[in-house]
Amino acid sequence: NAGVTQTPKFQVLKTGQSMTLQCAQDMNHEYMSWYRQDPGMGLRLIHYSVGAGITDQGEVPNGYNVSRSTTEDFPLRLLSAAPSQTSVYFCASSYSIIQGAFYEQFFGPGTRLTVL
Amino acid sequence: KNEVEQSPQNLTAQEGEFITINCSYSVGISALHWLQQHPGGGIVSLFMLSSGKKKHGRLIATINIQEKHSSLHITASHPRDSAVYICAAHSGGGADGLTFGKGTHLIIQP
Repeated sequence: NAGVTQTPKFQVLKTGQSMTLQCAQDMNHEYMSWYRQDPGMGLRLIHYSVGAGITDQGEVPNGYNVSRSTTEDFPLRLLSAAPSQTSVYFCASSYSIIQGAFYEQFFGPGTRLTVL
Repeated sequence: KNEVEQSPQNLTAQEGEFITINCSYSVGISALHWLQQHPGGGIVSLFMLSSGKKKHGRLIATINIQEKHSSLHITASHPRDSAVYICAAHSGGGADGLTFGKGTHLIIQP
């Protein structure tokens, strides 16, 4: 199993450009999430999905879109990049929630994004 | 919203020392997660616990639900344990119920 994969590993954008961060998992996990990690702050949830066709907003969704057409893929789209979106982005997947417990997440290697 | 505090923020120790990292949270939770982030950036889940204690190799995680406090211990520390350790409190639901601490940066010197 490849686990959770993310592409690209590094990206530099100019303000106003758009791009898609790719995330895929081969563990048949229903639950997938996108986080951003900034210096001095904990991981913050951008969007998440509990299964194909279902997405919801997290703590910091503005400026980002997601879709979940298949169980495996969960791309994150930046609509019009801004310097405030300079960050490291992590995708994660997990088993479905059972009896109210949220089980361990498997994280991708991250994408380091710089917006000039 | 849960407030999660970790201490210390930074810790430098000598190889072989016993390490303790603390995590406190403000609101009752269903589970507490400990994660490890290596200098290369990758994040790995170490433990998920809702009561008592769990052990994996040289790592031990404990939680006191009444005191809203968890600790991560490393016995016989080694330079390869150098990483950022992150705790996350789960208050219910899915990923939207997780609140992450800012992390403890641990350096083990040979």
